[in-house]
Amino acid sequence: AQKITQTQPGMFVQEKEAVTLDCTYDTSDPSYGLFWYKQPSSGEMIFLIYQGSYDQQNATEGRYSLNFQKARKSANLVISASQLGDSAMYFCAMREVIQGAQKLVFGQGTRLTINP
Amino acid sequence: ETGVTQTPRHLVMGMTNKKSLKCEQHLGHNAMYWYKQSAKKPLELMFVYNFKEQTENNSVPSRFSPECPNSSHLFLHLHTLQPEDSALYLCASSQLSGGAQETQYFGPGTRLLVL
Repeated sequence: AQKITQTQPGMFVQEKEAVTLDCTYDTSDPSYGLFWYKQPSSGEMIFLIYQGSYDQQNATEGRYSLNFQKARKSANLVISASQLGDSAMYFCAMREVIQGAQKLVFGQGTRLTINP
Repeated sequence: ETGVTQTPRHLVMGMTNKKSLKCEQHLGHNAMYWYKQSAKKPLELMFVYNFKEQTENNSVPSRFSPECPNSSHLFLHLHTLQPEDSALYLCASSQLSGGAQETQYFGPGTRLLVL
């Protein structure tokens, strides 16, 4: 069974500071994928970044980067130069494949608040 | 990408009502998903449709009935719901490729309140 753990229910950060959101996972599959999504108060889940288990380098997408430590089974999201619009819920998810269809298992999420 | 739409965005219904949620994806994907997001609980996968065929029913009560008439449309028919079914219902789609990265793209969700 797979499991995603996000230990920070909430975080408060000053604008323009960098922030790290923690995510640990548990799987026995050698091939897996890790995703981060942002969910503003409007409800939509917005895809941010992806890391494959065989990727040699940490994923980056603009201000988002993923600190992937495979031996520790952690995939922390780093947001550089935070902005007020970054305030939202952030979810870490792991991919598994069932009968050719992708299934995502989500963590509990972290509520990030950026203070001006 | 914002190629997944859901209607209605908000719905209030009584326990004896019958209603339907609609999802449409404009991304050319061939897999669609229904998720339930309740307060203080992780996102829960309900149903998966792969090329219009249901491949996953995650122990969902029969009062929720999905329908996928084609690869672009997905419905969730609701009847005799309970107050604990109040939640945000999210639809997602993806393109099955067998590759390492198959990203699911989500719609804005329907906030459902059952009275």
